[in-house]
Amino acid sequence: ETGVTQSPTHLIKTRGQQVTLRCSSQSGHNTVSWYQQALGQGPQFIFQYYREEENGRGNFPPRFSGLQFPNYSSELNVNALELDDSALYLCASSLGTVGYTFGSGTRLTVV
Amino acid sequence: GQNIDQPTEMTATEGAIVQINCTYQTSGFNGLFWYQQHAGEAPTFLSYNVLDGLEEKGRFSSFLSRSKGYSYLLLKELQMKDSASYLCAVLSGGYNKLIFGAGTRLAVHP
Repeated sequence: ETGVTQSPTHLIKTRGQQVTLRCSSQSGHNTVSWYQQALGQGPQFIFQYYREEENGRGNFPPRFSGLQFPNYSSELNVNALELDDSALYLCASSLGTVGYTFGSGTRLTVV
Repeated sequence: GQNIDQPTEMTATEGAIVQINCTYQTSGFNGLFWYQQHAGEAPTFLSYNVLDGLEEKGRFSSFLSRSKGYSYLLLKELQMKDSASYLCAVLSGGYNKLIFGAGTRLAVHP
């Protein structure tokens, strides 16, 4: 079975730009969660998608949005990038609450 | 509020035993995870506790006391490759989000 894959691995964007990060969930998993991890901190929950609908959201502004597709893959979109958005973005897939598995992450740098 | 506390840094000697503590206060509890994370990499799963007691898996053990809001991760026979951050995370909320502590950076010395 394939694990969770994220793309791209690294990304550099300019303040004010928009970015899309992608995540392919592990085979058999129907739930995708996104986390932001700033340097030296633990991951912070952004939102979760289940059956193509947002199923819960953390304390992030509306310029953070997402999608889940019928094959359970997912996108994270961030508009109007700010310097503080520089972080490691992690995607985790699960079957409901079972088998929480993280991808290798996307390192976003905003300059 | 939601709060997970763990020590910021720990050091230990190769071959020794180290215990990393975690205390939590969350609205709802559906289990506690420990993850290992090397610098710049994704967290990798170490253990999951949902009932009180000790779970043992090779060199790693994890303990949970729900009444005390307390867990620890025990690492035995430390190796240099165990130098990493260790994240304590609680599965909480109706949609089961993971709430993470800030992580404990463990340095293993020869």
